[in-house]
Amino acid sequence: EAQVTQNPRYLITVTGKKLTVTCSQNMNHEYMSWYRQDPGLGLRQIYYSMNVEVTDKGDVPEGYKVSRKEKRNFPLILESPSPNQTSLYFCASRRAGTGTSGYTFGSGTRLTVV
Amino acid sequence: GQQVMQIPQYQHVQEGEDFTTYCNSSTTLSNIQWYKQRPGGHPVFLIQLVKSGEVKKQKRLTFQFGEAKKNSSLHITATQTTDVGTYFCAERNDYKLSFGAGTTVTVRA
Repeated sequence: EAQVTQNPRYLITVTGKKLTVTCSQNMNHEYMSWYRQDPGLGLRQIYYSMNVEVTDKGDVPEGYKVSRKEKRNFPLILESPSPNQTSLYFCASRRAGTGTSGYTFGSGTRLTVV
Repeated sequence: GQQVMQIPQYQHVQEGEDFTTYCNSSTTLSNIQWYKQRPGGHPVFLIQLVKSGEVKKQKRLTFQFGEAKKNSSLHITATQTTDVGTYFCAERNDYKLSFGAGTTVTVRA
């Protein structure tokens, strides 16, 4: 089954404790992105990747890092999480090109930082 | 920041009635995509519109792109309980989706 897999689904952590949210896709997609979803704000892009070893900042990159060492994986790293990073996070991917395809989203990771 | 504004933020609909949600931009959009997110779920791609005045239908859902490509609408006829969720419009540019804040739909049986 074609999918984007995120782990964990739920995470409660303390301020300052480094964490990584994993994302993996099995569709050989070139483009991958991380979004955070907050009430009333919709989804905002954190980082994106165009292909292996090519990443760039989205709209709200502060406090986050990413890497793309393999095409299928795009982990999101919070080096020193803070309470304002409490949010619902989604990883998404799509094939390169200008076609009409949309993004495929993972099931989400609900992060709480206390 | 957000380039597309969605109204209304909330839509309470009687089962069987129709409703419309709107997506507006102050600038010309290159395209518009619509996604649906069920409660507790993740966004799922519905459709993309590219051409001025384009209209596409998916069963009871009708999507429209404005002539000036600055607005879009989603019209649902004969609302069912399965239509519950949040509907997002988004412009796809290069490697990014710029989302509206969404319209959250609840249905009264």
